[in-house]
Amino acid sequence: AQKITQTQPGMFVQEKEAVTLDCTYDTSDPSYGLFWYKQPSSGEMIFLIYQGSYDQQNATEGRYSLNFQKARKSANLVISASQLGDSAMYFCAMRTAVTSGSRLTFGEGTQLTVNP
Amino acid sequence: GAVVSQHPSWVICKSGTSVKIECRSLDFQATTMFWYRQFPKQSLMLMATSNEGSKATYEQGVEKDKFLINHASLTLSTLTVTSAHPEDSSFYICSARDGTGANVLTFGAGSRLTVL
Repeated sequence: AQKITQTQPGMFVQEKEAVTLDCTYDTSDPSYGLFWYKQPSSGEMIFLIYQGSYDQQNATEGRYSLNFQKARKSANLVISASQLGDSAMYFCAMRTAVTSGSRLTFGEGTQLTVNP
Repeated sequence: GAVVSQHPSWVICKSGTSVKIECRSLDFQATTMFWYRQFPKQSLMLMATSNEGSKATYEQGVEKDKFLINHASLTLSTLTVTSAHPEDSSFYICSARDGTGANVLTFGAGSRLTVL
C-alpha cells in the first residue's frame, strides 16, 4: 500500500524567510512520482513541483525546491523567501506505477502561515 | 497551461434532492478524470475514477448508486449526488491528467455542496 505522511499540521514562518515542509512516503514500487500542491482558502489545488523516483537531481521551480532523500523516503518542500501569499494548506502526494492512471495519494496536509 | 473548469463552485440544496457537478477540460482531452472529496481541515480522498465511454471505477466505501459519474465525452465528466443528505455536505473537486511528461494532475476549483 502507498502512504504519505505529513507530520506538521501547522507551520509558521516570517515573511522573507525560508521554510521546510516535511513529507515522508512509503511504497514498495520502485517507480513513483512525488508532487506538492498548494491549496489556498479558495479551495483550488495549485501544482507546485514534481520529483520522479529516478530523477538524479532535486527538483526546483522558482522559490520552490524539493529536498528528495530517497533512502529516507522523504520529499520535503522548501519555500525560499516566503511571501504573505504563500499562506495556504500544502499537500504532498504520490503516484506509483501500481496505481491506475495518475491517481494520487495525498498526505494530511500542512497549514502554512506567513507572518509579516 | 491545462485548465479544468468545475461548475457550480458552490451549491445549496434541500435534503432528498439531487445535485449535478460538472468538470470540463478546457484546452485538452481527458480520457480519465478523478473525483475527490474533502471535508474541512482534512485531506483529499479519491472517490472514483471517471473513464470516458465506460463505467467509473469507485473506491472502496463509495456508494456508486449515490454518486453517479458520467464521462460522456473527452472533455466532460459529471458527478451527480443523488438523494443528498446533510452528511454529503463537502467540498468536491475534480482533476484530470494534462498529458505532459510529468503526468501532472490539473484540478478544478472545486464545488462546495451544502445540504440542508
